[in-house]
Amino acid sequence: DVKVTQSSRYLVKRTGEKVFLECVQDMDHENMFWYRQDPGLGLRLIYFSYDVKMKEKGDIPEGYSVSREKKERFSLILESASTNQTSMYLCASLPGQGNQPQHFGDGTRLSIL
Amino acid sequence: KNEVEQSPQNLTAQEGEFITINCSYSVGISALHWLQQHPGGGIVSLFMLSSGKKKHGRLIATINIQEKHSSLHITASHPRDSAVYICAVLSNSGYALNFGKGTSLLVTP
Repeated sequence: DVKVTQSSRYLVKRTGEKVFLECVQDMDHENMFWYRQDPGLGLRLIYFSYDVKMKEKGDIPEGYSVSREKKERFSLILESASTNQTSMYLCASLPGQGNQPQHFGDGTRLSIL
Repeated sequence: KNEVEQSPQNLTAQEGEFITINCSYSVGISALHWLQQHPGGGIVSLFMLSSGKKKHGRLIATINIQEKHSSLHITASHPRDSAVYICAVLSNSGYALNFGKGTSLLVTP
Protein backbone atom coordinates (compact mmCIF):
# COMPACT_ATOMS: atom_id res chain seq x y z
CA ASP A 1 0.00 0.00 0.00
CA VAL A 2 1.26 3.48 -0.85
CA LYS A 3 2.23 5.56 2.13
CA VAL A 4 2.46 9.34 1.97
CA THR A 5 3.80 10.71 5.22
CA GLN A 6 3.69 14.33 6.27
CA SER A 7 6.10 15.23 9.02
CA SER A 8 3.63 16.99 11.33
CA ARG A 9 -0.13 16.77 11.90
CA TYR A 10 -0.24 20.10 13.74
CA LEU A 11 2.21 22.98 13.64
CA VAL A 12 2.17 26.43 15.20
CA LYS A 13 4.59 29.08 13.99
CA ARG A 14 4.99 32.83 14.26
CA THR A 15 4.67 35.51 11.60
CA GLY A 16 7.91 36.00 9.72
CA GLU A 17 9.33 32.56 10.50
CA LYS A 18 10.63 30.30 7.76
CA VAL A 19 8.52 27.14 7.83
CA PHE A 20 9.29 23.77 6.30
CA LEU A 21 6.60 21.16 5.63
CA GLU A 22 7.98 17.77 4.68
CA CYS A 23 6.36 15.00 2.68
CA VAL A 24 7.75 11.55 1.96
CA GLN A 25 6.28 8.81 -0.22
CA ASP A 26 7.45 5.22 -0.32
CA MET A 27 6.31 4.06 -3.77
CA ASP A 28 8.81 5.64 -6.12
CA HIS A 29 6.15 7.95 -7.59
CA GLU A 30 7.36 10.53 -10.08
CA ASN A 31 4.75 13.16 -9.33
CA MET A 32 4.21 14.93 -6.03
CA PHE A 33 1.86 17.75 -5.10
CA TRP A 34 1.28 20.32 -2.39
CA TYR A 35 -2.26 21.61 -1.80
CA ARG A 36 -3.84 23.85 0.75
CA GLN A 37 -7.41 23.37 1.90
CA ASP A 38 -9.52 26.20 3.25
CA PRO A 39 -13.21 26.28 4.24
CA GLY A 40 -15.39 27.30 1.33
CA LEU A 41 -12.49 27.17 -1.13
CA GLY A 42 -11.70 23.48 -1.31
CA LEU A 43 -8.27 22.20 -2.25
CA ARG A 44 -6.02 24.45 -4.27
CA LEU A 45 -2.73 23.47 -5.85
CA ILE A 46 0.33 25.34 -4.63
CA TYR A 47 3.14 23.53 -6.47
CA PHE A 48 3.78 20.18 -8.04
CA SER A 49 6.86 18.29 -9.13
CA TYR A 50 7.07 15.69 -11.90
CA ASP A 51 10.66 14.66 -11.28
CA VAL A 52 13.63 15.29 -9.03
CA LYS A 53 14.64 18.97 -9.10
CA MET A 54 11.65 19.78 -11.36
CA LYS A 55 8.79 21.93 -10.17
CA GLU A 56 5.78 23.70 -11.59
CA LYS A 57 3.68 26.45 -10.07
CA GLY A 58 0.11 25.64 -9.30
CA ASP A 59 -2.76 28.04 -8.82
CA ILE A 60 -1.52 29.81 -5.66
CA PRO A 61 2.30 29.69 -5.48
CA GLU A 62 2.80 33.18 -4.02
CA GLY A 63 4.59 33.10 -0.68
CA TYR A 64 5.69 29.50 -1.12
CA SER A 65 8.62 27.62 -2.59
CA VAL A 66 9.36 23.92 -2.92
CA SER A 67 12.30 21.58 -2.99
CA ARG A 68 12.63 18.10 -4.51
CA GLU A 69 16.20 16.93 -4.09
CA LYS A 70 15.25 13.25 -3.82
CA LYS A 71 12.45 11.40 -5.54
CA GLU A 72 10.73 10.36 -2.33
CA ARG A 73 10.71 13.77 -0.62
CA PHE A 74 8.90 16.97 -1.52
CA SER A 75 9.23 19.94 0.78
CA LEU A 76 7.04 23.01 0.96
CA ILE A 77 8.69 26.16 2.28
CA LEU A 78 7.00 29.25 3.60
CA GLU A 79 9.79 31.80 3.23
CA SER A 80 8.30 34.30 5.68
CA ALA A 81 5.12 32.97 7.20
CA SER A 82 2.07 35.20 7.33
CA THR A 83 -1.27 34.79 9.08
CA ASN A 84 -3.08 34.24 5.77
CA GLN A 85 -1.07 31.07 5.35
CA THR A 86 -2.87 29.46 8.27
CA SER A 87 -4.46 26.45 6.62
CA MET A 88 -4.55 22.69 6.20
CA TYR A 89 -1.74 21.55 3.90
CA LEU A 90 -1.99 18.26 2.04
CA CYS A 91 0.67 16.42 0.11
CA ALA A 92 -0.08 13.86 -2.57
CA SER A 93 1.83 11.58 -4.89
CA LEU A 94 1.04 9.93 -8.21
CA PRO A 95 2.92 7.45 -10.39
CA GLY A 96 4.13 8.72 -13.72
CA GLN A 97 2.53 6.03 -15.85
CA GLY A 98 -1.12 5.32 -16.39
CA ASN A 99 -4.27 6.98 -15.20
CA GLN A 100 -4.24 6.35 -11.47
CA PRO A 101 -5.56 8.02 -8.32
CA GLN A 102 -3.44 10.37 -6.27
CA HIS A 103 -2.43 9.18 -2.80
CA PHE A 104 -2.77 11.77 -0.06
CA GLY A 105 -1.01 12.28 3.24
CA ASP A 106 -2.97 12.94 6.44
CA GLY A 107 -2.42 16.69 6.22
CA THR A 108 -0.65 19.27 8.34
CA ARG A 109 -2.80 21.84 10.11
CA LEU A 110 -0.59 24.91 10.23
CA SER A 111 -1.37 27.93 12.38
CA ILE A 112 0.58 31.15 11.96
CA LEU A 113 0.28 33.48 14.95
CA LYS B 1 -9.04 26.08 -15.82
CA ASN B 2 -11.68 23.44 -15.40
CA GLU B 3 -14.42 24.64 -13.09
CA VAL B 4 -15.82 21.91 -10.90
CA GLU B 5 -19.18 22.43 -9.22
CA GLN B 6 -20.61 20.13 -6.58
CA SER B 7 -24.08 19.99 -5.14
CA PRO B 8 -25.35 20.03 -2.54
CA GLN B 9 -22.80 21.81 -0.39
CA ASN B 10 -24.22 20.26 2.79
CA LEU B 11 -26.43 17.23 3.21
CA THR B 12 -28.06 15.65 6.24
CA ALA B 13 -29.68 12.26 5.92
CA GLN B 14 -31.16 9.63 8.19
CA GLU B 15 -29.53 6.26 8.47
CA GLY B 16 -30.70 3.99 5.68
CA GLU B 17 -31.48 6.73 3.17
CA PHE B 18 -30.23 6.72 -0.41
CA ILE B 19 -27.86 9.62 -1.01
CA THR B 20 -26.79 11.34 -4.22
CA ILE B 21 -24.03 13.90 -4.62
CA ASN B 22 -23.57 15.62 -7.95
CA CYS B 23 -20.56 17.00 -9.77
CA SER B 24 -20.39 19.05 -12.97
CA TYR B 25 -17.32 20.24 -14.79
CA SER B 26 -16.72 22.61 -17.67
CA VAL B 27 -14.09 21.18 -20.06
CA GLY B 28 -12.83 17.86 -21.34
CA ILE B 29 -11.23 15.52 -18.87
CA SER B 30 -9.20 12.34 -18.87
CA ALA B 31 -10.54 11.17 -15.51
CA LEU B 32 -12.82 12.13 -12.65
CA HIS B 33 -12.14 11.23 -9.04
CA TRP B 34 -14.38 10.92 -6.03
CA LEU B 35 -12.55 11.41 -2.74
CA GLN B 36 -13.60 11.05 0.88
CA GLN B 37 -12.30 13.06 3.81
CA HIS B 38 -13.27 12.26 7.40
CA PRO B 39 -13.05 15.05 10.01
CA GLY B 40 -9.43 15.71 10.89
CA GLY B 41 -8.33 12.98 8.53
CA GLY B 42 -6.54 12.60 5.28
CA ILE B 43 -8.15 12.10 1.91
CA VAL B 44 -8.95 8.69 0.50
CA SER B 45 -9.63 7.98 -3.14
CA LEU B 46 -12.99 6.22 -3.60
CA PHE B 47 -13.27 6.03 -7.36
CA MET B 48 -11.53 7.07 -10.52
CA LEU B 49 -13.76 7.15 -13.59
CA SER B 50 -13.34 7.95 -17.23
CA SER B 51 -16.63 6.45 -18.42
CA GLY B 52 -19.67 4.51 -17.30
CA LYS B 53 -20.19 3.33 -13.77
CA LYS B 54 -18.23 1.80 -10.89
CA LYS B 55 -19.46 0.13 -7.71
CA HIS B 56 -17.70 -0.60 -4.47
CA GLY B 57 -19.82 -1.95 -1.65
CA ARG B 58 -22.61 0.55 -0.99
CA LEU B 59 -20.99 3.23 -3.13
CA ILE B 60 -21.76 3.76 -6.80
CA ALA B 61 -20.19 6.37 -9.08
CA THR B 62 -21.42 7.25 -12.53
CA ILE B 63 -20.18 9.60 -15.18
CA ASN B 64 -21.77 11.05 -18.32
CA ILE B 65 -18.96 12.41 -20.47
CA GLN B 66 -21.26 14.13 -22.97
CA GLU B 67 -23.10 15.99 -20.22
CA LYS B 68 -19.89 16.61 -18.19
CA HIS B 69 -21.59 15.29 -15.09
CA SER B 70 -20.92 12.68 -12.45
CA SER B 71 -22.87 11.40 -9.47
CA LEU B 72 -21.84 9.58 -6.32
CA HIS B 73 -24.55 7.44 -4.75
CA ILE B 74 -24.55 5.88 -1.30
CA THR B 75 -27.10 3.15 -0.69
CA ALA B 76 -28.35 2.26 2.82
CA SER B 77 -26.41 5.15 4.35
CA HIS B 78 -24.80 4.73 7.75
CA PRO B 79 -23.45 7.24 10.30
CA ARG B 80 -19.90 6.12 9.45
CA ASP B 81 -20.49 7.53 5.94
CA SER B 82 -20.45 11.02 7.48
CA ALA B 83 -17.57 12.83 5.78
CA VAL B 84 -16.76 15.39 3.15
CA TYR B 85 -17.01 14.02 -0.38
CA ILE B 86 -14.90 15.75 -2.98
CA CYS B 87 -15.11 15.58 -6.76
CA ALA B 88 -11.91 16.24 -8.70
CA VAL B 89 -11.11 16.18 -12.39
CA LEU B 90 -7.93 15.64 -14.34
CA SER B 91 -7.90 17.58 -17.57
CA ASN B 92 -6.69 16.07 -20.82
CA SER B 93 -3.51 18.10 -20.68
CA GLY B 94 -2.58 18.10 -17.03
CA TYR B 95 -1.04 16.24 -14.13
CA ALA B 96 -2.85 18.10 -11.43
CA LEU B 97 -6.43 17.77 -10.26
CA ASN B 98 -9.03 20.53 -10.11
CA PHE B 99 -11.25 20.09 -7.11
CA GLY B 100 -14.82 20.87 -6.26
CA LYS B 101 -15.45 22.54 -2.91
CA GLY B 102 -16.78 19.35 -1.40
CA THR B 103 -20.10 18.11 -0.03
CA SER B 104 -20.34 17.73 3.72
CA LEU B 105 -22.51 14.72 4.53
CA LEU B 106 -23.95 13.96 7.96
CA VAL B 107 -25.85 10.72 8.44
CA THR B 108 -27.82 10.60 11.68
CA PRO B 109 -28.88 7.40 13.46
